[in-house]
Amino acid sequence: DIQMTQSPSTLSASVGDRVTITCRASQYISSWLAWYQQKPGKAPKLLIYEASSLETGVPSRFSGSGSGTEFALTISSLQPDDFATYYCQQYNSFPWTFGQGTKVEVK
Amino acid sequence: EVQLLESGGGLVQPGGSLRLSCAASGFTFSDYAMSWVRQTPGKGLEWISTIFYIATKTSYADSVRGRFTVSRDNSKNTLFLQMNSLRAEDTAIYFCAKFRSTTGWTTSDSWGQGTLVTVSS
Repeated sequence: DIQMTQSPSTLSASVGDRVTITCRASQYISSWLAWYQQKPGKAPKLLIYEASSLETGVPSRFSGSGSGTEFALTISSLQPDDFATYYCQQYNSFPWTFGQGTKVEVK
Repeated sequence: EVQLLESGGGLVQPGGSLRLSCAASGFTFSDYAMSWVRQTPGKGLEWISTIFYIATKTSYADSVRGRFTVSRDNSKNTLFLQMNSLRAEDTAIYFCAKFRSTTGWTTSDSWGQGTLVTVSS
């Protein structure tokens, strides 16, 4: 199975900060990587697919980059609604696997 | 608007069975592959199974293969997950999710709200 490793596990930030979360795949996955946002008691919400494509309706302050094994999610200016947990997911091959999550909390 | 509504979760004893359903609306269900993903506090998000629009094509995680069966009824816009020989480690919130597109390779975009399965004596 492909292991996905996110860092950091927790990130403390303030509104307006630029925030970057990284995700590393244990083997080559091309650009078959997605980023999800999840809030407590809610389902994950797709933000980014194919490593850098912004899902319809997602604010442009979210961006994704990377290919191969190294990826990043950047929030250019953190907004109050962005405090949540973020997961990367590889869909290069079954079994699809997720990172352990990064919780973005108020500093 | 895409809507996915899971049901069928609950408390079941180890070794028991449960059948989850996911009622879909707001899109042409028969055109889309669908997946089940579960979430636990300890193991995070875990992909369980995918069924393609051609219902004979399915894929399973090793942790559930041989115990869980995914199926779909395109006439009723409903996805199912039959879970047998349940174990304590199957305790989780189970989500259904649709593929983002009908062509090419992709991941899941819309997810249901989830249904809780608790396996305990």
